[in-house]
Amino acid sequence: NAGVTQTPKFRILKIGQSMTLQCAQDMNHNYMYWYRQDPGMGLKLIYYSVGAGITDKGEVPNGYNVSRSTTEDFPLRLELAAPSQTSVYFCASSTSGINTGELFFGEGSRLTVL
Amino acid sequence: EDQVTQSPEALRLQEGESSSLNCSYTVSGLRGLFWYRQDPGKGPEFLFTLYSAGEEKEKERLKATLTKKESFLHITAPKPEDSATYLCAVRWGTGFQKLVFGTGTRLLVSP
Repeated sequence: NAGVTQTPKFRILKIGQSMTLQCAQDMNHNYMYWYRQDPGMGLKLIYYSVGAGITDKGEVPNGYNVSRSTTEDFPLRLELAAPSQTSVYFCASSTSGINTGELFFGEGSRLTVL
Repeated sequence: EDQVTQSPEALRLQEGESSSLNCSYTVSGLRGLFWYRQDPGKGPEFLFTLYSAGEEKEKERLKATLTKKESFLHITAPKPEDSATYLCAVRWGTGFQKLVFGTGTRLLVSP
């Protein structure tokens, strides 16, 4: 049982490049989330999904896109990378959403945009 | 304005030296307060959920309590393996799947 798997763990991008952060969970969770964590700041919600085919914006969605074609996968697309997108990105999943707060997080993807 | 504030930012304890971490919040209509542990280079790990003032939850050396303005994470006789950053998050309102996270308290327990 792998839980939540994120790839890649590290990536350096040049300004203007695009990339996709992958997230997969094997717990059959309906709810999935993308957060970013910056030094001295709390985790910020980028996008979330309450089930396959359903996504919605969080607090800081600009510059990102998501899709959810299967229950297991929730990729995060960065278009035209900017230095402000330098951050650690965490994917999380849950059976009941934030009602219980019991989110299962991946180990993170550290992205640097130069 | 900050809606969730954690203090202290960092705390160094000797093994066995009990202490408390604080999470204060200013949101109204709290629908849940959550504690997580985050080890360096890892994602947060869920610890506790508290829903109403007076509620307490325990797990090993950790006990979380909740009042109408704040939550405490009490650490009794900590061990070096308790060293981590402890995050709290709150949920309020309806519908939107949003948690507001604090910036965390970095705990270091020395042997």
